[in-house]
Amino acid sequence: GAVVSQHPSRVICKSGTSVKIECRSLDFQATTMFWYRQFPKQSLMLMATSNEGSKATYEQGVEKDKFLINHASLTLSTLTVTSAHPEDSSFYICSAEGGSYEQYFGPGTRLTVT
Amino acid sequence: QKEVEQNSGPLSVPEGAIASLNCTYSDRVSQSFFWYRQYSGKSPELIMSIYSNGDKEDGRFTAQLNKASQYVSLLIRDSQPSDSATYLCAVNDGVTGGGNKLTFGTGTQLKVEL
Repeated sequence: GAVVSQHPSRVICKSGTSVKIECRSLDFQATTMFWYRQFPKQSLMLMATSNEGSKATYEQGVEKDKFLINHASLTLSTLTVTSAHPEDSSFYICSAEGGSYEQYFGPGTRLTVT
Repeated sequence: QKEVEQNSGPLSVPEGAIASLNCTYSDRVSQSFFWYRQYSGKSPELIMSIYSNGDKEDGRFTAQLNKASQYVSLLIRDSQPSDSATYLCAVNDGVTGGGNKLTFGTGTQLKVEL
């Protein structure tokens, strides 16, 4: 149980284009999902909290107009990186909240912006 | 500023030994505590959760929580080379209405040597 998928696993895009990443909870419903970013040899950095049917809550310093989050159903949240630049290249990981505040992570999406 | 502190390591233990990983946290009202394992290039995997003072055992893993001293630890018995990974300590936000955000430590790298 508690399986979370992410798609795509890897993506390469050109500077200035947009990329959409999907996060799905496969065997449970998740009212809340989270989006993290992780740079090499660094810890997870929470970008935003995504609640089904409402606007996402962004962490300080994260541009909401650049990182668009949609959580339209209890099993799907999407992150769109708009006008991507090389400095946005990173490992993006979503998680879905199960019971008792446990978070289950997707396998991650490695984004490379050229 | 809520903080979760871990020794970055690497912690090296011989195969078959007990690995002891420690974590301290600053927010006294935190209620939920988690240990995640992260292999290089992969996303974190939940291995233990603990909510009450004392020990919680699951197979070769034992989590220990002491809220008065604000520390949580993870013991891995009969360590195997496959246990070699970075172990992340995570603590629930604990703020009323703050929901379920987790604060992560920077992780301890464990190396189990043959």
